[in-house]
Amino acid sequence: EIVLTQSPTTMAASPGEKVTLNCLASSSVSYMNWYQQKSGASPKLWIYGTSNLASGVPNRFSGSGSGTSYSLTISSMEAEDVATYYCLQLSSYPLTFGSGTKLEIK
Amino acid sequence: QIQLVQSGPELKKPGESVKISCKASGYTFTDYAMHWVKQVPGKGLKWMGWINTYTGKPTYADDFKGRFVFSLEASASTANLQISNLKNEDTANVFCARCIRGTGYYWYFDFWGPGTMVTVSS
Repeated sequence: EIVLTQSPTTMAASPGEKVTLNCLASSSVSYMNWYQQKSGASPKLWIYGTSNLASGVPNRFSGSGSGTSYSLTISSMEAEDVATYYCLQLSSYPLTFGSGTKLEIK
Repeated sequence: QIQLVQSGPELKKPGESVKISCKASGYTFTDYAMHWVKQVPGKGLKWMGWINTYTGKPTYADDFKGRFVFSLEASASTANLQISNLKNEDTANVFCARCIRGTGYYWYFDFWGPGTMVTVSS
């Protein structure tokens, strides 16, 4: 089983601040998907195939990485970005999610 | 527009069974696999498995073998999850999610249902 370790677990950023969320895989994966989940809602596709933004995702978001190391970056934090972000690998069974990064605003 | 509509919340006692439904609309149901994801309140997401909506073949994650059954009512564009012999640790929000292959080699869950809260309590 591929274990995905997300860091940090929780973080707070100021409006306008650059934010980087990390997802480290225990074995190499071909690509990574990211989901945003707000409180009381179902997860939303945010980034797929490592670097492709889902429809409606602001372009201040970007995704990058390869092999065992992937990241989601927000170039300038906004209040609406407050959420928990999960990475998900579909390269091998069982599919696995990271434990999530809870992003708050200062 | 594409929608996944799930059945309502369930309150069950230990040992009972529950059936959750996920009705799809806005696309050809049998063209896309359906996956199931568990989320204990306040915790992270856990993949339960998936069902091939064309063949009906289910695949279960190890922790969900035995008491969990994925099934289809293809004529109704509906995927179902039945859990038998419910335990307290089955208390969770359960999501269905459509899986799509992107233009390339990658797959992802593009649409999710709103979730069905299953509460198991004596």
